[in-house]
Amino acid sequence: QKEVEQNSGPLSVPEGAIASLNCTYSDRGSQSFFWYRQYSGKSPELIMSIYSNGDKEDGRFTAQLNKASQYVSLLIRDSQPSDSATYLCAVTRNNNDMRFGAGTRLTVKP
Amino acid sequence: NAGVTQTPKFQVLKTGQSMTLQCAQDMNHNSMYWYRQDPGMGLRLIYYSASEGTTDKGEVPNGYNVSRLNKREFSLRLESAAPSQTSVYFCASSERAPVNTEAFFGQGTRLTVV
Repeated sequence: QKEVEQNSGPLSVPEGAIASLNCTYSDRGSQSFFWYRQYSGKSPELIMSIYSNGDKEDGRFTAQLNKASQYVSLLIRDSQPSDSATYLCAVTRNNNDMRFGAGTRLTVKP
Repeated sequence: NAGVTQTPKFQVLKTGQSMTLQCAQDMNHNSMYWYRQDPGMGLRLIYYSASEGTTDKGEVPNGYNVSRLNKREFSLRLESAAPSQTSVYFCASSERAPVNTEAFFGQGTRLTVV
């Protein structure tokens, strides 16, 4: 079992729709949770960080964390073609290493 | 502010050759990481250093060695390159305050082993 699991996709949504990305992790002691966006040929860049249970909103993005279910999600509202990228879920475990999921490729169609 | 700087950006090696990938960060971060990225596999952790003077294995350490030279620099060495090590390598750093904050990434090194 991988430490961090994501639906590999690809996920395709129409412009203006909500995109929902999901991630589960196996280490119950994990402490920090992140969503990164990666465009083809580029380095990952941070979208959202979340450290405690509940929702965290930043503009069109909402991250949700449920530590009891070991589940992290990212919602993108009013999706734009520029949101088309691979989204990576990352989890920092209690030994301070940071593990990534395989990523979900999102395509937003105009 | 340079952030995380990796060298080189591109490299072609012959099977059996050795090389060192260099990484330096200017954000005074304690933690540094080396990842490799292959198509469809996300980022896989090779080695990490939680603080200066410590290094630990990640998911895929075989065939690699690392050195945390000082707080700024963390190098990755391939002693005898193999075609299976063809990949894009990313260095990253983060702070531990008291839990790890976001990781900042270098621009990546595209390595081809022929």
